[in-house]
Order: sequence, then structure tokens, then C-alpha cells
Amino acid sequence: GAVVSQHPSWVICKSGTSVKIECRSLDFQATTMFWYRQFPKQSLMLMATSNEGSKATYEQGVEKDKFLINHASLTLSTLTVTSAHPEDSSFYICSARPPSGIMLEQYFGPGTRLTVT
Amino acid sequence: AQSVAQPEDQVNVAEGNPLTVKCTYSVSGNPYLFWYVQYPNRGLQFLLKYITGDNLVKGSYGFEAEFNKSQTSFHLKKPSALVSDSALYFCAVRASGGSYIPTFGRGTSLIVHP
Repeated sequence: GAVVSQHPSWVICKSGTSVKIECRSLDFQATTMFWYRQFPKQSLMLMATSNEGSKATYEQGVEKDKFLINHASLTLSTLTVTSAHPEDSSFYICSARPPSGIMLEQYFGPGTRLTVT
Repeated sequence: AQSVAQPEDQVNVAEGNPLTVKCTYSVSGNPYLFWYVQYPNRGLQFLLKYITGDNLVKGSYGFEAEFNKSQTSFHLKKPSALVSDSALYFCAVRASGGSYIPTFGRGTSLIVHP
């Protein structure tokens, strides 16, 4: 199946700093990428949907100025957590969806564990 | 609007026994249904999907799921559980038309006891 990578797999940062997480589709072009946040023992919370070359669409309640998403190419999307605070600590997962066709499922990255101290 | 219900937070089964993880959905029109599995500290892995055709769908690792339109269900099953099947399982649905963004259930933790 299709492969999606995320980098870094874990990061610890100090409160007030910014952190960038990369999501790459390795063997397919992803016109659409999704960013999720997952709290312990909870489901995925969709944060935003990004389409290559256009602005991301954020879900209600997600601060677009805090969680900056850039989808500059068909294989790369980035999530930048700006001025991170301890409450931003979470597991962030990206997923990518191939262009419309028979493959309708999403392919997920391995996730990034963010800890803000 | 579309929604998914996974009524069980946790399912316990003995190794070698059959397992079922339940999922019901609500969507306008025809559904596309998916099952994903998540191991600790990892992303989700695609298991199987129903798009159209045969109601019984076979997927990875011996898992299968049965689409039941009248009961709006898509339960995940496996004839003989393995300890290594212990993980978090997510059901997802999206409508065949309209928004392409799927809705995920809250997840069911499957624990297979030796």
C-alpha cells in the first residue's frame, strides 16, 4: 500500500517556541492531506484539510493562526505549532489521500508525539 | 450529516476465539465504509473497505467485515483472534457523493488474552 512518512516521530520543545511537523507521501501524489490530533485513549480529531496549492480548511474550534498548515507540493504538507504551550502536547497524525479513483481510503503517517514543557 | 458509532470502548476475547468489533453508521445516500487499526504510538493502518458489490469484504491480517444495509452496520470480524491483534480499531464512513472527508468512530480497544 501507499506509504506516508512523518518527521519527527517525537519532539520536546519549550513553551513559547514553534515546532514544525512534516508529512510526506512517499510513493504517490497526494492532492489532499489531513491533519489529526489524538488525545490518549481518544479518537482522532480532524484539525484541518489541506489541498495542494491552496489554503487549508480548518475545522471549527481549531486556531488557524496557531496551527499553520502548508501544502506546497503534491508530496509534502507541514504543520507548524506556533508559540506552543503545554496544552498543545498531543499525538499529531497526518494522512494523505491519493487523487480520485478507486483508492478511496486514506493512508496515515506514523504520528508525531509533541511534548511542550 | 454523517456519523459513526462504535458502541464498545473495549472488547475482550480469548486467543483462538472469534472476534467481532461493532460499527453502525448514518449517512445520506450510499456509504463508503472503512476499518483502520492503530497500534500503540503509531498511525492508523488501513484494513479493509466497502465501496460496492459483495457485502462481505475481506481485508488484511485475516479480518473481514460485513456490510448490512438494513441495519446500517459494518461489523469487523475475525474467525480466530491472535494476541497480536490487540490494538485500537476505528471504523469510518463517508458518503459516496458530497464531502470526501470521512467521519471516524471513537475507536474500540481490542484485547486478546493468551
